[in-house]
Amino acid sequence: DVKVTQSSRYLVKRTGEKVFLECVQDMDHENMFWYRQDPGLGLRLIYFSYDVKMKEKGDIPEGYSVSREKKERFSLILESASTNQTSMYLCASSATDDGYTFGSGTRLTVV
Amino acid sequence: AQSVTQPDIHITVSEGASLELRCNYSYGATPYLFWYVQSPGQGLQLLLKYFSGDTLVQGIKGFEAEFKRSQSSFNLRKPSVHWSDAAEYFCAVGAGTYKYIFGTGTRLKVLA
Repeated sequence: DVKVTQSSRYLVKRTGEKVFLECVQDMDHENMFWYRQDPGLGLRLIYFSYDVKMKEKGDIPEGYSVSREKKERFSLILESASTNQTSMYLCASSATDDGYTFGSGTRLTVV
Repeated sequence: AQSVTQPDIHITVSEGASLELRCNYSYGATPYLFWYVQSPGQGLQLLLKYFSGDTLVQGIKGFEAEFKRSQSSFNLRKPSVHWSDAAEYFCAVGAGTYKYIFGTGTRLKVLA
C-alpha cells in the first residue's frame, strides 16, 4: 500500500515562528498536495506539485510556501505563523487521476 | 465554476439501517468522482471512485455509489450500517490537472 507520512501529528507553535510541515510518500507518485481542513469549510487546496522543483498555487496560498527538492518529499512552510493558520493540515499524493492517498494529518495550533 | 455540494452536514441512523449520503456536483465535462471517509483525528481514506463505464460502483467496507448524469449526483449508499461506519464522509470531483474539489463533508452518527 502507498504510504504518506506526515512528520508530526500535533504541533504547537508561537505567532511569528517559521513552521515546517513535512510529508513523505513511498510509491514514486508524481503529484503531491497540501490541504488545510477547517470545520464547515471542508478541504481547501494550499499548494500542489506535479514534479520535483515544480509547484503551483492552490486556492489559499497566502502565508504559505512549499518545497519539493526530492520526488518523495513535499514540505509546507508557514513563513510567519499566525493564529488564523491554526488548522488540520493534510498531505496527499497521487499518480494520474487515480484518487489521492492521504497522510494522517498534522493538527497545528498557533498561540 | 466547478463545485461539490453535500447538502447534509449531519446524519444520524440506527445500526442496521440503510444509509444514503448525498453529493451534487457542477462540472463542465464528465467528471472524475470520489468518496472518502475520515475517522476522527485521521486522514482521508478512499472508499470508491467513478471515472467512466458502469454508473454503479462498488467500494470498500460495503459501500456503493451511483453516478446520475441527469441529476449531477453521486450519492453514497450502504444497505446496513455498522457502528464502525461513524465518521465524516467527503465527496470530491476531479477538476482536471489532477486537482480535486472537495465537498464540506457529512458527519455520520450511528445509534446502537
